[in-house]
Amino acid sequence: AQSVAQPEDQVNVAEGNPLTVKCTYSVSGNPYLFWYVQYPNRGLQFLLKYITGDNLVKGSYGFEAEFNKSQTSFHLKKPSALVSDSALYFCAVRDPGSNYQLIWGAGTKLIIKP
Amino acid sequence: SQTIHQWPATLVQPVGSPLSLECTVEGTSNPNLYWYRQAAGRGLQLLFYSVGIGQISSEVPQNLSASRPQDRQFILSSKKLLLSDSGFYLCAWGGQGGIQYFGAGTRLSVL
Repeated sequence: AQSVAQPEDQVNVAEGNPLTVKCTYSVSGNPYLFWYVQYPNRGLQFLLKYITGDNLVKGSYGFEAEFNKSQTSFHLKKPSALVSDSALYFCAVRDPGSNYQLIWGAGTKLIIKP
Repeated sequence: SQTIHQWPATLVQPVGSPLSLECTVEGTSNPNLYWYRQAAGRGLQLLFYSVGIGQISSEVPQNLSASRPQDRQFILSSKKLLLSDSGFYLCAWGGQGGIQYFGAGTRLSVL
């Protein structure tokens, strides 16, 4: 079955430190992978995507993600965390059986402490 | 540029009352449209999606229905709300490469 896992319910990082939010996937074929961010009581905002090409993808707000095919992972990273990065982060993969749907991870709450 | 409008932002309704949430998209034609529900600030549950006018696919059988009367309009409805319908409802449209773009959401409280 197609699935996306975000193994950490919450990640705590001190401001200025690097951050990683983990995502692993299980889909058939070549995955289309996405990261989104959600601030409280707001809709989701698209951060970045991987479809093909360079395994390191750069996105909005200084975030990047690394696609690792052998480990079926797509971890979100940022070299230096800001307090304003505190939010809920979702990983998603396009359902290979449908051009229209995304399979979503459960979300990871990122807390950046000053 | 494309924009998506969703309203109202918050809604408090009594049990048994009807519901109508509206979502409109500007700046694109024939978008794929989606309704999601998010419970307790966590995972997303896809409720309905539409690939064209009058074409609605339901992912989860429940007390809700959706309609797409115009190309860029997507409506979520209920005839009689249940307590369990409370949640954060998100509308989204599908762009190139599978990216989905979300509205600001509607916080629904059924009391």
